[in-house]
Amino acid sequence: QSVLTQPPSVSGAPGQRVTISCTGSSSNIGAGFDVHWYQQLPTTAPKLLIYGNDNRPSGVPDRFSGSKSGTSASLAITGLQAEDEADYYCQSYDSSLSGYVFGTGTKVTVL
Amino acid sequence: QVQLQESGPGLVKPSETLSLTCTVSRGPIGSYYWSWIRQPPGKGLEWIGYIYYSGSTNYNPSLKSRVTISVDMSQNQFSLRLSSVTAADTAVYYCARGYSYGPFDFWGRGTLATVSS
Repeated sequence: QSVLTQPPSVSGAPGQRVTISCTGSSSNIGAGFDVHWYQQLPTTAPKLLIYGNDNRPSGVPDRFSGSKSGTSASLAITGLQAEDEADYYCQSYDSSLSGYVFGTGTKVTVL
Repeated sequence: QVQLQESGPGLVKPSETLSLTCTVSRGPIGSYYWSWIRQPPGKGLEWIGYIYYSGSTNYNPSLKSRVTISVDMSQNQFSLRLSSVTAADTAVYYCARGYSYGPFDFWGRGTLATVSS
């Protein structure tokens, strides 16, 4: 069950900026739990892209940035590149479920 | 850096038990939360549950009655057992390293488990 809602798809031309929203509730994002983001390239395992709302692991380009406000979070990709075409998932912790939850996933297409 | 590798049967019959093992290499199994996450074909990610290195566990409520996760620190492995499987349990199963309320920073490549007679 996905309790974090994302748009099914977003698209942009190379070089453009795209954003992906992640909408939660008062039992997860709104409760103060951190949001993390993953990139999943075709036929590969998810890769941690952003942790703790707005932190990039070593090796992740600074074109990727995260933010969080209230019961929502966002992932922004600036200077969109062909290699960014992938599925993106947000993730947090939910106190009502007492467990981790993922977003519904967003497919990014580079036009 | 740490590596994770899933192993187990790729085909399981309906009503039987799916058993998978994750071997952790190039790093200790201690002090982390070790999770199983699955992804049905063409669908999103679902967290199944985790085990802390001390042995404490936490399971997704939707799967709790059928899931058991265990750890073998001597082998640097942790395992998943999912009982009474149906076709709806067909998925790529990933093991991952995590933190309390935190992210999953290392993932295995995943293994496809198909439920079919």
